[in-house]
Amino acid sequence: ILNVEQSPQSLHVQEGDSTNFTCSFPSSNFYALHWYRWETAKSPEALFVMTLNGDEKKKGRISATLNTKEGYSYLYIKGSQPEDSATYLCAFTMYSGGGADGLTFGKGTHLIIQP
Amino acid sequence: NAGVTQTPKFQVLKTGQSMTLQCAQDMNHNSMYWYRQDPGMGLRLIYYSASEGTTDKGEVPNGYNVSRLNKREFSLRLESAAPSQTSVYFCASQPGAGENYGYTFGSGTRLTVV
Repeated sequence: ILNVEQSPQSLHVQEGDSTNFTCSFPSSNFYALHWYRWETAKSPEALFVMTLNGDEKKKGRISATLNTKEGYSYLYIKGSQPEDSATYLCAFTMYSGGGADGLTFGKGTHLIIQP
Repeated sequence: NAGVTQTPKFQVLKTGQSMTLQCAQDMNHNSMYWYRQDPGMGLRLIYYSASEGTTDKGEVPNGYNVSRLNKREFSLRLESAAPSQTSVYFCASQPGAGENYGYTFGSGTRLTVV
């Protein structure tokens, strides 16, 4: 069973501040790292899929970086807004011959933006 | 523009009853997955189907069976429900043959076994 750790578990941030959180995963046989945003009463929604060491992805005020050699990814949110309140999930998969075999998800970072 | 559709949204079962959770996607995706979400746990993979005609066990397959009926549909069956199977179940799909595309999730099925 793969271990995907996310920290912190929860985070309160003032509106307008920037924040970041971490996902740690096994560094061997890396294949892909995903980030999802999960709002209350909705389904998880894909933010980024990252496959190469050094990858940086950006969508609006949200960006992510990837270090496969040391086994971590950071998610950054710049200028937090109330609508950024959600649980952010990361998920990892190892290389297994190229076929799909599912993602292992972390428990998430629960982000609350305070006005 | 439905994406991934799961039925039912809510279900209460008695211990020992059986039921099938239905999942259908209209995006011509190759791979489909069933996950369960429990308090304090990450999403855990039950079964997956990398392509039409294939299914494989995930992390927590015991007590479940699946059928990939065609490219669109992937159902999850509980043959004899147990209280430990009380959970929220999510179906997901992605277009590729590997995990290099983001998943599209259904809206979930909240199952209670009493």
